[in-house]
Amino acid sequence: ETGVTQSPTHLIKTRGQQVTLRCSSQSGHNTVSWYQQALGQGPQFIFQYYREEENGRGNFPPRFSGLQFPNYSSELNVNALELDDSALYLCASSSEDRGYEQYFGPGTRLTVT
Amino acid sequence: GEDVEQSLFLSVREGDSSVINCTYTDSSSTYLYWYKQEPGAGLQLLTYIFSNMDMKQDQRLTVLLNKKDKHLSLRIADTQTGDSAIYFCAENRWTSYDKVIFGPGTSLSVIP
Repeated sequence: ETGVTQSPTHLIKTRGQQVTLRCSSQSGHNTVSWYQQALGQGPQFIFQYYREEENGRGNFPPRFSGLQFPNYSSELNVNALELDDSALYLCASSSEDRGYEQYFGPGTRLTVT
Repeated sequence: GEDVEQSLFLSVREGDSSVINCTYTDSSSTYLYWYKQEPGAGLQLLTYIFSNMDMKQDQRLTVLLNKKDKHLSLRIADTQTGDSAIYFCAENRWTSYDKVIFGPGTSLSVIP
């Protein structure tokens, strides 16, 4: 167990709706990265938050947004859901001095119908 | 290109060694990783190697890195049925932050 938790475990939404996914970092970690893993594929980097600021982003549209809170927990928000947003969403946390070691949570399985 | 490449499937007999191969793209990648994912679970960081190393051994796991060919391999000695999972190779393309790029994963099946 990594100490990274995510909620909810599963979620079903309808196309066009909005969703918020949550992540709690491992103790002592101040950086959170979010990934999207479509079925049968490797995770794809969405963005990273460090000290409450977005400091890196992958090739995802602006309807994917995030927040990081003073306790370093984080949210991923997705607006105007599309069918292709159905995936496992993973968050990973890391510490400031060992940012190259990312520890993943169990993920949230999002299904868009 | 952007892609990290891996063969998609590997099948081995219990007790044999497994070798999973990967090619990555960015010669300036700082760290190379192997992650394990069991069905319905998140990713477990198995091991990683810094780019100035050739080899790293950790119990049953041996990682070999060939920077010239941008080739990474993971050898699992004495493979057990509990090793059946998907193994992801990944590279860290650090610019101003740790951006980790994953391959498609290799599904390892261990035959009893």
